[in-house]
Amino acid sequence: GDSVTQMEGPVTLSEEAFLTINCTYTATGYPSLFWYVQYPGEGLQLLLKATKADDKGSNKGFEATYRKETTSFHLEKGSVQVSDSAVYFCALTQDTGRRALTFGSGTRLQVQP
Amino acid sequence: DVKVTQSSRYLVKRTGEKVFLECVQDMDHENMFWYRQDPGLGLRLIYFSYDVKMKEKGDIPEGYSVSREKKERFSLILESASTNQTSMYLCASTQTGTALSGANVLTFGAGSRLTVL
Repeated sequence: GDSVTQMEGPVTLSEEAFLTINCTYTATGYPSLFWYVQYPGEGLQLLLKATKADDKGSNKGFEATYRKETTSFHLEKGSVQVSDSAVYFCALTQDTGRRALTFGSGTRLQVQP
Repeated sequence: DVKVTQSSRYLVKRTGEKVFLECVQDMDHENMFWYRQDPGLGLRLIYFSYDVKMKEKGDIPEGYSVSREKKERFSLILESASTNQTSMYLCASTQTGTALSGANVLTFGAGSRLTVL
C-alpha cells in the first residue's frame, strides 16, 4: 500500500535559519502530495500541496516540489520564525478510490529566538 | 469560515465504558474521516464514510465503530474503551471531486483527546 516517510524530529533551529524537512513516499500512480501543519493545541491545517510531478506548492514562505523521479516532497523555508514552531506532516492521497490521506509520522520543529 | 467541530476537546473515561466522539461539519461535504494521532506514528485512519449510512474500514478499525445518520455528522464509537485507545482523535471532511477541484484537501477538527484509565 501507499506510505510516507519523514525525517524524525525534533528539529531545533535558531530564528532565521534555513529549514529542510525531508519527505519521501511510496505509491502507485500519481498521487497528490501535501504538507499539513499542527500548531500546539490545534488540529491540522493545510500548508501547501502539489497535484502532479514538478509542481511546486508554496505558502507562508514554505515551499515543496513534487519530484516523481526521487519520490520526494521535501519542505523548505529560507528563514524560519519562532511562530513556525509546530509539527509538520507530509501526506499523500490518490485521486481515485478512498479519499483518505496517508500520513507520515510527523516532524516537530522548534525554533529558538 | 468553514468548520469541522468536534464536540469534546478532552475526555476521561474508565476501562470498559462506551465512548461517543461526535463530529459535525458545515461544508456539505460527502466524505468524512476519523483518524487517531499518536506520537511517532503520525495519523492513522480508523474509519471513513462516503455518504450517509455508508462506512468503510480504514487501517486500524479494531475496537471502533462509526455512525453516519446525517450528512453533516460522523460519530466514532468505542464500544468498550481500553487503555490502548488513549489517544488524540481527529475528524476530517472533504468534498467529492477531482484533485483540481480541491476535493482531496481535508479540513480537520481541533481534535478530541481521550484518556482511558
